[in-house]
Amino acid sequence: KQEVTQIPAALSVPEGENLVLNCSFTDSAIYNLQWFRQDPGKGLTSLLLIQSSQREQTSGRLNASLDKSSGRSTLYIAASQPGDSATYLCAVTSGYSTLTFGKGTMLLVSP
Amino acid sequence: GAGVSQSPRYKVAKRGQDVALRCDPISGHVSLFWYQQALGQGPEFLTYFQNEAQLDKSGLPSDRFFAERPEGSVSTLKIQRTQQEDSAVYLCASSSRDHSGNTIYFGEGSWLTVV
Repeated sequence: KQEVTQIPAALSVPEGENLVLNCSFTDSAIYNLQWFRQDPGKGLTSLLLIQSSQREQTSGRLNASLDKSSGRSTLYIAASQPGDSATYLCAVTSGYSTLTFGKGTMLLVSP
Repeated sequence: GAGVSQSPRYKVAKRGQDVALRCDPISGHVSLFWYQQALGQGPEFLTYFQNEAQLDKSGLPSDRFFAERPEGSVSTLKIQRTQQEDSAVYLCASSSRDHSGNTIYFGEGSWLTVV
């Protein structure tokens, strides 16, 4: 059974810092990996999707990498802002229908 | 519509009561998914539809949970004889195809509290 682990569970940083969120998964047979953002009381917003054949994806200040063989992904956030405060979820697709999520990293960026 | 719409947004049910949660996916989206998210946890897969066909219901926790999508658009998740452990956020998501290459869009969820 696929298991996804995210470290750290929570992170508090001052505005302007660069930071890295970590995700690991136990079964490397995945179709893709996605990073989502969840604001309190809201649904999930897809940030980046990396196909299994890709190594990284970038969107603005966000960069996600994938090392499928070692079962790891990182989300790099450059020059963090208070508006980045949210829970970040990592999820892998192992089959046509199932996203397996980690428990998330709760990020707080203070002004 | 502009996004995935779920109703009700909040529901308080007495233990033993039946509830029905509705999901309106993005127009034209073939795939529809239901996830359950307990407090402090990541979402967990419940079931998947492709058009009106329920292709995977392996995540439904018990036979008290039932989902349908009779016309391939709106979907309803029904929970019979609710129990306290059913308290969670129920998230609906849709995509134009399956997960393998397309962005998935989530609704804001239906927050169920069983008292």
